[in-house]
Amino acid sequence: QKEVEQNSGPLSVPEGAIASLNCTYSDRGSQSFFWYRQYSGKSPELIMSIYSNGDKEDGRFTAQLNKASQYVSLLIRDSQPSDSATYLCAVLNTGFQKLVFGTGTRLLVSP
Amino acid sequence: EAGVAQSPRYKIIEKRQSVAFWCNPISGHATLYWYQQILGQGPKLLIQFQNNGVVDDSQLPKDRFSAERLKGVDSTLKIQPAKLEDSAVYLCASSLRTTYEQYFGPGTRLTVT
Repeated sequence: QKEVEQNSGPLSVPEGAIASLNCTYSDRGSQSFFWYRQYSGKSPELIMSIYSNGDKEDGRFTAQLNKASQYVSLLIRDSQPSDSATYLCAVLNTGFQKLVFGTGTRLLVSP
Repeated sequence: EAGVAQSPRYKIIEKRQSVAFWCNPISGHATLYWYQQILGQGPKLLIQFQNNGVVDDSQLPKDRFSAERLKGVDSTLKIQPAKLEDSAVYLCASSLRTTYEQYFGPGTRLTVT
């Protein structure tokens, strides 16, 4: 079982729709979770962090965390073509305080 | 606030040659990380420094890779000798402390021929 799992996609949504990106993790003791956006040929850019169960909103982005289900998600409201990128889920491993990344989900937003 | 700086941005070498990458973290960030990202995969941690001490280097291929962070600021990652499978993007990141958000530099794209 991979430590952090994401569907590789691509996830295709029309402009203006809600994009829902999902991530599961295996380390039950993990406390810190991050979403990074990575455009093709660029480095990862931090867009959200979440540490407590529930929702955290920042502009058009909402991160959701359910530690009991070991599940974290990212919702992007009013998706724009400029949101087209790969979204990486990252989980801070409790043992060695190491950030473990999923393989990323590619999002395509069509005009 | 200036971000994480890396150089060079691109490097092409032949197998068995050596190469070095440089990283300057965000000012005041105590923790520095080197990641390897192969196309289609997420970044994989190679080594983590807290100030100038190594916190985790469990995934660093120590027979060919080495890294140092003298004086607790800049860091250098070296590969000697390079193999074809080392072709990847090498990312440097920094954070205030180990458990804080990490911010990435632009990366160095290495091609080994």
